[in-house]
Amino acid sequence: DAGVIQSPRHEVTEMGQEVTLRCKPISGHNSLFWYRQTMMRGLELLIYFNNNVPIDDSGMPEDRFSAKMPNASFSTLKIQPSEPRDSAVYFCASSRGQGSEAFFGQGTRLTVV
Amino acid sequence: GESVGLHLPTLSVQEGDNSIINCAYSNSASDYFIWYKQESGKGPQFIIDIRSNMDKRQGQRVTVLLNKTVKHLSLQIAATQPGDSAVYFCAEKQGGSYIPTFGRGTSLIVHP
Repeated sequence: DAGVIQSPRHEVTEMGQEVTLRCKPISGHNSLFWYRQTMMRGLELLIYFNNNVPIDDSGMPEDRFSAKMPNASFSTLKIQPSEPRDSAVYFCASSRGQGSEAFFGQGTRLTVV
Repeated sequence: GESVGLHLPTLSVQEGDNSIINCAYSNSASDYFIWYKQESGKGPQFIIDIRSNMDKRQGQRVTVLLNKTVKHLSLQIAATQPGDSAVYFCAEKQGGSYIPTFGRGTSLIVHP
């Protein structure tokens, strides 16, 4: 299995632009998580999907952030418009369910200038 | 709330030494615990897990100890190697929840 696949690995964009991060979870996993990692805040959960349905989005910073999971093999995290304070590493993770560990992708390093 | 601009706790050891990384978890209802290793430029990688009905679990060169009385988790790495240098996170899950909650992490530096 290729593991959780994220794209792009690096993204540099100008303030105000739309950014879309992509994730392909491990096949057969029914839970998907988006995390953001910064030195200031560590790993923060942004949103969690179960069976493609958003269950908990309380970690989404504000309306500029949105996430979708149109099917079991694909999810996106969109930031529109982006701001410099959104600069971070964004991780996608998937798991089989409640009693299972989450497997992380390699992350997308986002820099907003 | 959490500290602002905090530096990760750091553990420096010599190659060949045993390392012990500690974690205090917050939720007494948590019943599943996981240790992750994150190397520079990579995502967190699963190392070992333990359920609350156990107090010790061993893997290859790693042992996790769970003390539910004081809500404390530790990761012991035997014969630490330079390749073990990374940030180590503990995560906890409450029964019925799908969402792991991560601690702040400890940076392990192994000197050759």
